[in-house]
Amino acid sequence: EPEVTQTPSHQVTQMGQEVILRCVPISNHLYFYWYRQILGQKVEFLVSFYNNEISEKSEIFDDQFSVERPDGSNFTLKIRSTKLEDSAMYFCASIRGYRSTDTQYFGPGTRLTVL
Amino acid sequence: SQELEQSPQSLIVQEGKNLTINCTSSKTLYGLYWYKQKYGEGLIFLMMLQKGGEEKSHEKITAKLDEKKQQSSLHITASQPSHAGIYLCGAARSGGYNKLIFGAGTRLAVHP
Repeated sequence: EPEVTQTPSHQVTQMGQEVILRCVPISNHLYFYWYRQILGQKVEFLVSFYNNEISEKSEIFDDQFSVERPDGSNFTLKIRSTKLEDSAMYFCASIRGYRSTDTQYFGPGTRLTVL
Repeated sequence: SQELEQSPQSLIVQEGKNLTINCTSSKTLYGLYWYKQKYGEGLIFLMMLQKGGEEKSHEKITAKLDEKKQQSSLHITASQPSHAGIYLCGAARSGGYNKLIFGAGTRLAVHP
């Protein structure tokens, strides 16, 4: 069964460093999302992406964040200068987008630890 | 903004017992999703409900959406240790392919 994959599974970085989190959505899906979950808190929406542009972003998604679909398969989230509070689990999701009953499928997540 | 309240926050049951988790919205839901999350892992899709009064089942898990589309319940029959985890409800704000808003989750432990 097709699935969303994410790499790396765990990333440790120093405050102020740039990180890139990678996702490979399900191949025939058209809409892509990033969510994050700070330990012990709710899953929060960051950004949605369709047709090579951001369709919606949350207040969390400030100028330090960017997303890109550099080729036909990868979808990346870049954090330019990481802060301690960026430590969280980051989930990528995708949806086929042909019907309103289509489902968002989530990847296994990348645990980002900022020291 | 739309909020989702889940209850209970945590639940400990004996293996074989039935249980129910609730998810209540402050606004009418377009679509309601149930996911299961093992601690520190990804979200596994369980079911999606869209129509008022809709009910879906998969193995021993049944989810219902009320007629007003503001409350959903997830019922597990004859619970097993494999059912343990965090159950999350997520709501689509409107049609199409919008973001999901999530509840805080219900942590379920099943003791043999």
